[in-house]
Parts: sequence; C-alpha cells; structure tokens
Amino acid sequence: DAGVIQSPRHEVTEMGQEVTLRCKPISGHNSLFWYRQTMMRGLELLIYFNNNVPIDDSGMPEDRFSAKMPNASFSTLKIQPSEPRDSAVYFCASSSQNSNQPQHFGDGTRLSIL
Amino acid sequence: DQQVKQNSPSLSVQEGRISILNCDYTNSMFDYFLWYKKYPAEGPTFLISISSIKDKNEDGRFTVFLNKSAKHLSLHIVPSQPGDSAVYFCAATFQGAQKLVFGQGTRLTINP
Repeated sequence: DAGVIQSPRHEVTEMGQEVTLRCKPISGHNSLFWYRQTMMRGLELLIYFNNNVPIDDSGMPEDRFSAKMPNASFSTLKIQPSEPRDSAVYFCASSSQNSNQPQHFGDGTRLSIL
Repeated sequence: DQQVKQNSPSLSVQEGRISILNCDYTNSMFDYFLWYKKYPAEGPTFLISISSIKDKNEDGRFTVFLNKSAKHLSLHIVPSQPGDSAVYFCAATFQGAQKLVFGQGTRLTINP
C-alpha cells in the first residue's frame, strides 16, 4: 500500500523565493496534517484539514505560510516569501477522521533557505 | 510552554536488555497518549497508544505504562534489538481530538 507521499524530498532555495511543498495522503484518509520539525521547537502542528476543509491553522507561524487542499488526494503548503528561519523538515500526515486513529506520516521535505 | 516533555535526549542500551523511555506531561486534560518511532530520513511511525482509562498497554515487545497521578508515561522495549535504534517521540491528545502535542524525542541506541 502506498503511504503518504511528499515532494520534493529536498529543497534548497534563496530567501525571498516562493516554496511549494506537496503531499498526497493515503487513499481513504479524510484528515490531513502539516507539521514542521526544528531543533528548537521539535515537531509542531501547523494546520490540519478534515474532508478538504481547514479545521485549525493556529500553528501556522505567519501570513507568509498558506496551505490548501483542493481535493481529497492532494495538499500544498506554500511559503512566500521564504526566509532562512523557515529552514526545517516539513512533514505531512494523514489519518481517518475516526476518533484517535493514528496519523501516518510521509518521509518529509527537508527545506533549506539560504 | 512545553506540555509534553522527554527529558532524556538520548539513551544507550545493550542488545537483549530492557529499554525504558520516559515522558512527562503537564496538561491534566490529556487523556490519550501515543508513541512514535522515527528512523533518519523517514517520517515518524506509530508504535503504540494508551487511553487514560488504562494504566498499561502491551503489544509484543512494547509496553506502555501510564501513571496519571504523576502525569508520566513510559515505553518499555524488551528485549531490545539493534533495529530498535531510532528516535522515539511521545505524543498526547484528548479523546476525540486530532491535534497531537509531541515531546522533543529521545534517541535510543541499541549496542550489540
């Protein structure tokens, strides 16, 4: 079975550029989560969707960050303009919306902003 | 304010012995806890969970213990195997909720 698929796996870009991270959740999962992992803050939830609708974006750090889920099989996390402090590993996860179903994570995108 | 804390950044254990990973939480409203395992360059993988109505949950070599009065949980791995070498994350949430709050992780190394 295909797991959560994220692309690209690595992204290196200069500050000020727009960055788009992509995620394909597990088929049949109706909840999707975006996380960021840094040394300072660990693994933190940025935003999550149920049935393609954003439910909680309180973890999104700034207006430079935006996320969309146009359909059940695709989501994007966009940073515009990017800054060096956005450098981190970004994970996407999906799960069934049923209570306490474990989240399944993708392998992440390692983002470096120079 | 770190609501879930893993105070040991690393732990080294001999193969075949027991590994004990600890996690403390501050929010008494948390009532569902999970452990995830993470290998380098991969995403976290769900390992085991426990509801606050229990004090122990076992799955093969993995057992999670919950002490609600102390706001403490632990993951026991016995016997430890080289493939258990990874970073282990503790996470907490509320029943019916979907937001997970993660600890900082503990790097476990199993020595042959």
